[in-house]
Amino acid sequence: DTAVSQTPKYLVTQMGNDKSIKCEQNLGHDTMYWYKQDSKKFLKIMFSYNNKELIINETVPNRFSPKSPDKAHLNLHINSLELGDSAVYFCASTPGQGDTDTQYFGPGTRLTVL
Amino acid sequence: GNSVTQMEGPVTLSEEAFLTINCTYTATGYPSLFWYVQYPGEGLQLLLKATKADDKGSNKGFEATYRKETTSFHLEKGSVQVSDSAVYFCASRNTGFQKLVFGTGTRLLVSP
Repeated sequence: DTAVSQTPKYLVTQMGNDKSIKCEQNLGHDTMYWYKQDSKKFLKIMFSYNNKELIINETVPNRFSPKSPDKAHLNLHINSLELGDSAVYFCASTPGQGDTDTQYFGPGTRLTVL
Repeated sequence: GNSVTQMEGPVTLSEEAFLTINCTYTATGYPSLFWYVQYPGEGLQLLLKATKADDKGSNKGFEATYRKETTSFHLEKGSVQVSDSAVYFCASRNTGFQKLVFGTGTRLLVSP
């Protein structure tokens, strides 16, 4: 009974391709996030959705487009992949927007762009 | 905006040694503070948190106290185990919906 799941776990692709990463949470949470973790383990937020509405959009190239079909899912589509997009992408969720809310992370998707 | 500064790693210790990982923050107001842990090949999971000054968060033998006067939230454990080897992230989040801001992470390596 995985709480936050992501698919695929590994993704290897060529530069210029378009790819998607999917995230689902079965916790009944209202808020979901995408984070990017680089090779030095630095973790930075990319997007956040609350009840399917975008509430945080950091300075991310518009090649990255999140989509939330319902509040249990937040997918990330990436167009025209570049070498610098290689990273581990983590999905996370919280019950709401409270400042003390614990974030529940998925296992990550390791994206390698060749 | 908020920022979090952690000590550089890796921190290398022998089993049963005392652990301290320093974390300081800058923020407007009084943020909630967190320690997350990332075991190899896994996502982050919450280790402990504190939501106001002088609060002490604790879990699995780890402790951290919210010190407003020194803007710090140092992580400590009295006796580390090999299974504690992981990357530890300090994080802060302001009141009113704001993003969670992470430090750069500190890798802990514990040898038998």
